This record gives sequence, C-alpha cells and structure tokens, in this order.
Amino acid sequence: AQTVTQSQPEMSVQEAETVTLSCTYDTSESDYYLFWYKQPPSRQMILVIRQEAYKQQNATENRFSVNFQKAAKSFSLKISDSQLGDAAMYFCAYRSPFQGGSEKLVFGKGTKLTVNP
Amino acid sequence: DVKVTQSSRYLVKRTGEKVFLECVQDMDHENMFWYRQDPGLGLRLIYFSYDVKMKEKGDIPEGYSVSREKKERFSLILESASTNQTSMYLCASTDPSGGVRETQYFGPGTRLLVL
Repeated sequence: AQTVTQSQPEMSVQEAETVTLSCTYDTSESDYYLFWYKQPPSRQMILVIRQEAYKQQNATENRFSVNFQKAAKSFSLKISDSQLGDAAMYFCAYRSPFQGGSEKLVFGKGTKLTVNP
Repeated sequence: DVKVTQSSRYLVKRTGEKVFLECVQDMDHENMFWYRQDPGLGLRLIYFSYDVKMKEKGDIPEGYSVSREKKERFSLILESASTNQTSMYLCASTDPSGGVRETQYFGPGTRLLVL
C-alpha cells in the first residue's frame, strides 16, 4: 500500500519570503499522480498543484511550484513571495493511475503553515 | 464552479444516537467520498461510491455506513454514535476522467461532537 509522509507538522514563514514544504511517499508503481491541497482555516480544501509521475518537468502554478524527485520519491512544494492568505493546512496526496472506477487519494498528515506579517 | 455542500457545519449528538451527514454535489460527478479528518492523522477515507447504489469501503469503515440513492447525494450514517467518532467529516466528489486532471472537490466539512 502506498504511504505519504509529511515530516513537518508546522512551518512558519515571513510575508514575502519563500517556504518549502516537504513530502515523501512510498510506492512500487512507476506511474502515478501527486497533489498538494490547501485547507485554509474554516474553509474548503482546494487543489493547489498536481504532477504526473511520468513528466520530468516540475509543475508550477503562479507562486506555487514543486520539486519532484522521482528516484528519491520526494514531492516538495515551494511557495514564493508568501502572502497572508497562504496560511493554511497543506496536504500532500498520492493517487494511482486510473484503473476503472476511481482510485482513491492517499493523504499525508498535513503541514500547518503560518505566515507572519 | 463545482459546488459540494454538506448539510451541517457543526453538529452535537449524544452517544448512541443515529447520525446522518448529508453531502450534495451539483456537477453530475459519478464518484463521491467521505473522509474523516483528525489532528495529526490527516484525512482518512471512510467510504466511497462510484455510482448510484454502489459503495466501497475505505480505510476506516467500522462504525459507519453510507447511502447513495441519487447521483448527487451521498450520505454518511453513524448507526450508533460514539465519542471516538467526534471529528471533522469531509465529503468530496470527482468525475472519473482519470489522469492527473481528475480533481477531488471538497465540501466545507461537518464538525461533529459526540457527547
């Protein structure tokens, strides 16, 4: 079974600075998908960024980018120019390739990010 | 915009009560999920459904059941609530298009307290 590990329960960053959240995973599959989700306080969980394992190029979405190291099974999230609205719980998630029905997401335990003004 | 709504944001129930948590999505998604979120444990899948009247157990189904009579609605049932079921419950839905574009859309969550 796949597992996802987020080793940093809490992180903090100064506004306008850059922060990197770590995520490692364990799998025997060669093709899969990785995601970062954001859950702001008292608000809905939303998708931040996603990556296909077969793509070597790291995904980017505006100020959010990932460092995907397939051999190391590492998928870190970098937030540049941090803003107060980035404060949230961040979850790393893994999904197996589509095999009929729907494959479930496997989540890490989350990292709580605080942004200091 | 995809909308996933949950019937209650906060719920207080007594031990032994039967509890219904309702989730509705408006995007005609085939797949729906119920998660439980606890501090330090992340999200754990309770049940999911990939079609009307179809359901599959997730990682922690004990003490829960589900119902999906209509495509847009997925209910989580606690047959006899216990204090260890105090938690945040999240519903999600997705269209099984497969690939990396398949995104789970989450509801706002129901915070359940069982006394």
